[in-house]
Amino acid sequence: EVQLVESGGGLVQPGGSLRLSCAASGFTFTSYWMHWVRQAPGKGLVWVSRISSDGSITNYADSVKGRFTISRDNAKNTLHLQMNSLRVEDTAVYYCVNILLGWGQGTMVTVSS
Amino acid sequence: ETVLTQSPGTLSLSPGERATLSCRASQSVSNNYLAWYQQKPDQAPRLLIYDASSRATGIPDRFSGSGSGTDFTLTISRLEPEDFAVYYCLQYGNLPLTFGGGTKVEI
Repeated sequence: EVQLVESGGGLVQPGGSLRLSCAASGFTFTSYWMHWVRQAPGKGLVWVSRISSDGSITNYADSVKGRFTISRDNAKNTLHLQMNSLRVEDTAVYYCVNILLGWGQGTMVTVSS
Repeated sequence: ETVLTQSPGTLSLSPGERATLSCRASQSVSNNYLAWYQQKPDQAPRLLIYDASSRATGIPDRFSGSGSGTDFTLTISRLEPEDFAVYYCLQYGNLPLTFGGGTKVEI
């Protein structure tokens, strides 16, 4: 069974940082691109970033480019999202996603003073 | 950016009826890399269809996807009570990846 378990969310002030993690199991992690997708309260889904199976290629939405960094540790089957210079508009549930297999349950990030 | 337009915004149907959801792209989706997801309140999205027409593991065969290029369709042949939810399409063929705005299927 595919399992994606996010952690690291919480309340942070504008300008602050958070690091999200996603523990993957139930599939061959090293064979898949992985993504982060977010959903603001009551809103739709927005793609944030993706990383290739070996970690050599990364892409970002314009709204987070230069502030967020995606990475992965294939030895530990773990995906990360380092979020810096956070803004109020980054408030959302952040999902770890394998486009072809499934989604995690999400972790809430709240940016507020 | 590839804009995905889902229609209708809301679909009001009864159990047993057929649901047809549309997802139209502003430009051709490479390799027909389009997926459909179902989301219920306070739950994560659930993968239904990938590569436009491939059913995900464990998804009942009343769900089917079709289409290519810029026009895609999700069909639910006979609505079950648990199918009432919001449905999103996602294109992953072009950067940036983009989602449609969703179609709510309600009773």
